[in-house]
Amino acid sequence: DVKVTQSSRYLVKRTGEKVFLECVQDMDHENMFWYRQDPGLGLRLIYFSYDVKMKEKGDIPEGYSVSREKKERFSLILESASTNQTSMYLCASNKGAAPTYNEQFFGPGTRLTVL
Amino acid sequence: GENVEQHPSTLSVQEGDSAVIKCTYSDSASNYFPWYKQELGKRPQLIIDIRSNVGEKKDQRIAVTLNKTAKHFSLHITETQPEDSAVYFCAVIQGAQKLVFGQGTRLTINP
Repeated sequence: DVKVTQSSRYLVKRTGEKVFLECVQDMDHENMFWYRQDPGLGLRLIYFSYDVKMKEKGDIPEGYSVSREKKERFSLILESASTNQTSMYLCASNKGAAPTYNEQFFGPGTRLTVL
Repeated sequence: GENVEQHPSTLSVQEGDSAVIKCTYSDSASNYFPWYKQELGKRPQLIIDIRSNVGEKKDQRIAVTLNKTAKHFSLHITETQPEDSAVYFCAVIQGAQKLVFGQGTRLTINP
């Protein structure tokens, strides 16, 4: 059974703080993703990674960075948190590469509030 | 890039009736179309997907239809039950591994 875990379910930070969100998957998946979920906007891709130390920008990368030092772990970093980054953050992972597309498995989410 | 529009944003149906959610996309090269269900307070989970070489796929009470010419695909849920209440997201693959999601539909099943 695939398991994707995230370091916190709820997080409250102050404006300007550096914030780390951690995601770990235990199924040896090559690909990992970070999304933010906002009402009415669906899930928007922030960054993804298809291999260790590799990263690709998604649709809304501004204000975020990522790190993937180990295959199982993908970190999202908010260098200087702002109130407009208050959101639900979802991590996901899946196996393999093109041409076959495999199901993405999601973590439980981290609800981040920036005050 | 890919643009995915999902309608309606909210849908309320009587238990036992059918529900239909529709998504349109812009990139004619897209070839993979999954649907995810997110129950309240839980993570999104894949419920059904379709690839561009077929026009319809069924799994018990849920089905997805794809019209590649018109660039739209739909989720059909028949004989709805209270446990079908959730937010449903369509998605379209862009490039090799990136999914672009629709805005979501909140489905409520009324007893």
